[in-house]
Amino acid sequence: DADVTQTPRNRITKTGKRIMLECSQTKGHDRMYWYRQDPGLGLRLIYYSFDVKDINKGEISDGYSVSRQAQAKFSLSLESAIPNQTALYFCATSDLGIGQETQYFGPGTRLLVL
Amino acid sequence: QKEVEQNSGPLSVPEGAIASLNCTYSDRVSQSFFWYRQYSGKSPELIMSIYSNGDKEDGRFTAQLNKASQYVSLLIRDSQPSDSATYLCAVIDNNNDMRFGAGTRLTVKP
Repeated sequence: DADVTQTPRNRITKTGKRIMLECSQTKGHDRMYWYRQDPGLGLRLIYYSFDVKDINKGEISDGYSVSRQAQAKFSLSLESAIPNQTALYFCATSDLGIGQETQYFGPGTRLLVL
Repeated sequence: QKEVEQNSGPLSVPEGAIASLNCTYSDRVSQSFFWYRQYSGKSPELIMSIYSNGDKEDGRFTAQLNKASQYVSLLIRDSQPSDSATYLCAVIDNNNDMRFGAGTRLTVKP
């Protein structure tokens, strides 16, 4: 079984709809991240969480919100989807400490906003 | 200026050749550096991490770091068609955030 899972894997929605992307991990890591990937722009950090009570904005948090329901679960919400949020979204986890920053990625969610 | 810069490619090398991938970063105090490989339609996976100046070898892969020049590279020896992928450079910056480059697409031709 995969250590980092994401649901759904693909989603088509309409402008203005609220959607939630979910991420679960079995690695026991405290840190979790949400990225989006766009052609030519690489991975950009949306939000990250270092533990259940810690939520931090990343580089491009506008239009997104997150919830860390448990150590193993971190969800990303688009309150009112817009077409330029069409992208590939990745969840990732990492451990604590210097030398432990390797991030382990989920399989990704392809989102299309019409 | 982007914090982590890579040539987008595509970089094309023949099978058996050495592929050289380069990355520069802007945050002088960065201490941790990573190379991820991403196959088309898949998620990134870690290939190498490097923390000290010099070379670090792992099989056919060698990471090279020069903090004075703010430069990190990845060499792939004896390149194979299965190495064809996008290679992402990542750097932990002064805020302890991991910043990714846009990636270099590598094609190894049989």
